[in-house]
Amino acid sequence: QITLKESGPALVKPTQTLTLTCAFSGFSLSSRGVGVAWIRQPPGKAPEWLALIYWHDDKHYSPSLRNRLTITKDTSKNEVVLTMTNMGPLDTATYFCTYTLLRWNWFDPWGQGTLVTVSS
Amino acid sequence: SYVLTQPPSVSVAPGQTARVTCGGDDIGSNTVHWYQQKPGQAPLLIVYEDSDRPSGIPERFSGSNSGNTATLTIRWVEAGDEADYYCQVWDKTSDNYVFGPGTKVTVL
Repeated sequence: QITLKESGPALVKPTQTLTLTCAFSGFSLSSRGVGVAWIRQPPGKAPEWLALIYWHDDKHYSPSLRNRLTITKDTSKNEVVLTMTNMGPLDTATYFCTYTLLRWNWFDPWGQGTLVTVSS
Repeated sequence: SYVLTQPPSVSVAPGQTARVTCGGDDIGSNTVHWYQQKPGQAPLLIVYEDSDRPSGIPERFSGSNSGNTATLTIRWVEAGDEADYYCQVWDKTSDNYVFGPGTKVTVL
């Protein structure tokens, strides 16, 4: 059974850098084809894809946010980390990590999500 | 960038059929995926690659995709189907995974 769980600060100040960790089980990010993505959802709005990393360290980023995002993996810890720089109020959202495969272009399953509020 | 459109809301009586549309330029040339999201929960994949269902998803949920419109059909609607529904595609031109704005399905 694949499970993912996000963790990180609930509150960050404007201009700070956000660091989120996705801890997963039920698969290995060293297995061919496996990927983990980050997706966020502002309150009352649609999900927005942020970043995706594959087993061979291939990384993909949202075109509109790529200059603020970094995604990395620690295969030995079964973790994926997302950093987002220069946080602002519009970045307030629930941040999810999800499982995918190279031959897919959908996401399943998703973690429970972690709410991040940006406020001074 | 690629834009998806969905009606904000759809209302349906129990036992009837709900249809949720997802519009996009020549969306029929893409593969469309659908997610169900209930309050306080993460999105749940209910249809992938236009019309396939993950294991555990009832046959009442089905999808189609042609031309400029993809459609999620929910037959024999139940109270438990009340949720937000999002369509999603991969835009290969921009290497971007795009979600529709969502449709709230209300069971009367």
